[in-house]
Amino acid sequence: TQLLEQSPQFLSIQEGENLTVYCNSSSVFSSLQWYRQEPGEGPVLLVTVVTGGEVKKLKRLTFQFGDARKDSSLHITAAQPGDTGLYLCAGDDLNNDMRFGAGTRLTVKP
Amino acid sequence: KAGVTQTPRYLIKTRGQQVTLSCSPISGHRSVSWYQQTPGQGLQFLFEYFSETQRNKGNFPGRFSGRQFSNSRSEMNVSTLELGDSALYLCASSLAGTKTEEQYFGPGTRLTVT
Repeated sequence: TQLLEQSPQFLSIQEGENLTVYCNSSSVFSSLQWYRQEPGEGPVLLVTVVTGGEVKKLKRLTFQFGDARKDSSLHITAAQPGDTGLYLCAGDDLNNDMRFGAGTRLTVKP
Repeated sequence: KAGVTQTPRYLIKTRGQQVTLSCSPISGHRSVSWYQQTPGQGLQFLFEYFSETQRNKGNFPGRFSGRQFSNSRSEMNVSTLELGDSALYLCASSLAGTKTEEQYFGPGTRLTVT
């Protein structure tokens, strides 16, 4: 079982639509990170959230860290084909090892 | 400045063989971490090296090993390859490997075991 559960696993939408993907755990994390990975590349860090209830905005992307620091969400407004990729969340477990979710594979069709 | 580089990018090996993968971190970065990425399990942490010492280790069998050189370049070795070792192996570097630092990932080495 994954320490971090991401949903949905796959998401295919039309350009211009809004979407939200989720990252959930039964464990508390000191921080959570979101990455985007494109085919043939390694993950690239989008944002780190560290405070329960924190909301961070990065252009059309809004990241939220749950109050209890066990879950996080990523909302994309007016998705574009360039947003296509694998979205990964990651957090430090009790052993201070980085744990990743399996990811949400997003396809935005023009 | 140059990003993290990994060689080779693609590799095909046979069960029972061993393989060595290489990672060159960003200049000045002293921490290198290795991950295995598979469709079913996602990214799983293998180990982290800092100043030539293994600082953290994930839950992988002893067939997986690594080392880091004085120039911070790192290698990982997998012995007695199994079909299940087929995966994308990613390395990531950071300045000191602290939790608040950003990790920069390389493009990965795709290993196929037949």
